[in-house]
Order: sequence, then structure tokens, then C-alpha cells
Amino acid sequence: GAVVSQHPSWVICKSGTSVKIECRSLDFQATTMFWYRQFPKQSLMLMATSNEGSKATYEQGVEKDKFLINHASLTLSTLTVTSAHPEDSSFYICSAKGRESDYEQFFGPGTRLTVL
Amino acid sequence: GDSVTQMEGPVTLSEEAFLTINCTYTATGYPSLFWYVQYPGEGLQLLLKATKADDKGSNKGFEATYRKETTSFHLEKGSVQVSDSAVYFCALSYLNSGNTPLVFGKGTRLSVIA
Repeated sequence: GAVVSQHPSWVICKSGTSVKIECRSLDFQATTMFWYRQFPKQSLMLMATSNEGSKATYEQGVEKDKFLINHASLTLSTLTVTSAHPEDSSFYICSAKGRESDYEQFFGPGTRLTVL
Repeated sequence: GDSVTQMEGPVTLSEEAFLTINCTYTATGYPSLFWYVQYPGEGLQLLLKATKADDKGSNKGFEATYRKETTSFHLEKGSVQVSDSAVYFCALSYLNSGNTPLVFGKGTRLSVIA
């Protein structure tokens, strides 16, 4: 199956700083990438959908200025948590799909963000 | 809109017990159905899938059959192991549709004790 990587796998930062999380499709071109957030013992909450070369579409209630998403190429999307606060601490998971993956959605391993 | 409902957990079983996790869906079209597994501290892994009615997905001893008449995709395993302890998510999606994300159920936590 197709492989999606995320970097970093975990990050600890101080309140007020910004954190960038990268999501890469390693062996296929991802025309669409999705960003999810998962709170402890809960399901995945879709934050936004991004298509290569266009602005991301955010789900209702997700602050676009807080969670900046850039899908600059067919293999890379980034999520930047700006001015992070403790309530942003969570597990962030990306997924990607494209024609080469038969539009099946493949998931990255996740990034655990802890804001002190 | 489309939705997925799966049984509430947690589910606790003894090793070698039979497992069933119920999943039903509501969809406007003809989706593909998936089961994902999440081990502690990790991302989601695809466990099995079925793309059309009456298809049976199977992997690692788990299986699920796409039942259009009952809009269900129940996950079963004949004999669970301690290593099967994880959270299981039922989901649906429309393949060949670029922008459509997976719709997840809330997840069912399984604990298998020796």
C-alpha cells in the first residue's frame, strides 16, 4: 500500500510559539490531503481538506488563522499551529489520496503536540 | 449527510473469545466501507475494506461483510489475542472521488485479557 509520513512524530513547545507539522506521500502523488485532530479516547475530527495548489477548505469551527495549511506540492502538505496554547495539545493525523492510490485514503502515523 | 454508527465500548474479552463489533451506516450513494485499527500511541492502519455489496473484507483473522440490505459492516474475529487490543474504527468513503474524506464512527476500544 501507499505510504504517508509525518514529521515530527512528537513535539513539545512553549505557549505562544508556532509549530509546523509536515505530511508527505512517499510513493504516490496526493491530489488531496486531509488533516484530522484526535483528542484522547475520541474519534478523529476532520479539520480541513487541502488540494494541491489551492486554499484549504476548513470544517466549521476550525480557525483558519490558527491552523495554517499549505499544500505546496503533490507530495507535501504542512499544518502550522500558530501561537500555540495548551488547549491545542492533541494528536494530529494527516491522510492523503490520489489517482495512483485509487483514491483510497492513506494515513500518516500522527504527530503528538504538547504545548506547555 | 452520510454517517457511521458503531457499538459503544469499551469491549473487554478473554483471549480466544469471539469478537463482534457492530457497525451500521447511512449513505446517500454507494460507498466503500472500511475498518481501521489504532494501536496505542499510533496512527490509523487499514485493517480491511469492501467496495461493494456482498463483498467480504478479511485480514489477520478479522472479517466483515458489506450488507446493503441491513446497511451494516460488522467486524468479526473467531479468536482474539492480547495483541488485538486497540481501538477499531468503522468508516465509509467514496473511492474515485477526490475531495471526499472518510466518515468515521466514534471508535470501539477493545481490551483482550490473558
